[in-house]
Amino acid sequence: DQQVKQNSPSLSVQEGRISILNCDYTNSMFDYFLWYKKYPAEGPTFLISISSIKDKNEDGRFTVFLNKSAKHLSLHIVPSQPGDSAVYFCAATAGNGGAQKLVFGQGTRLTINP
Amino acid sequence: ETGVTQSPTHLIKTRGQQVTLRCSSQSGHNTVSWYQQALGQGPQFIFQYYREEENGRGNFPPRFSGLQFPNYSSELNVNALELDDSALYLCASARTSGSRGTQYFGPGTRLTVL
Repeated sequence: DQQVKQNSPSLSVQEGRISILNCDYTNSMFDYFLWYKKYPAEGPTFLISISSIKDKNEDGRFTVFLNKSAKHLSLHIVPSQPGDSAVYFCAATAGNGGAQKLVFGQGTRLTINP
Repeated sequence: ETGVTQSPTHLIKTRGQQVTLRCSSQSGHNTVSWYQQALGQGPQFIFQYYREEENGRGNFPPRFSGLQFPNYSSELNVNALELDDSALYLCASARTSGSRGTQYFGPGTRLTVL
């Protein structure tokens, strides 16, 4: 039962253009969403998060959009840089007062071409 | 500020053996979570420790167990290793166990079971 899905295993974008990574979820109890970036031989690095009370959050070149009715979130990277080449994971969690269990998607490998 | 560290980096074991993986949480963090990442998949939640108590568990059998120490470092123990236990094991720490406590990951331990 895949509660968080990233349907694109890979994405290739020209340097300087916009990268858009997508994520869908099925559990309506999820109320907090995060994006992580992972380089080979390193652990995931936190990028940006969004609470379900918002529909957009920006941090520099990174913007996350949340569409609760569609159970969909996306990460926009503008402009894309070669150092952005990595695997990106979206994750979701439900604020039920217990352990913060992050549920991850399968990841999207982003390649930025010079 | 020291980040999350894990040891060892790599480990090779044979089926049926036992293994202990170690994690030092980031300074000021009292919550540690463990995740298993199989090849090509997103991390899967194993369990979380908060103030030395198990605070939630994912869908993993009892042969996966853990400990958290007074300094908030943690161990993951796996008994009776199976071939499918081969994976990257990630430790993540957070300032709080609540859903707003962003988790910061270590570099992981790559376990190979032969």
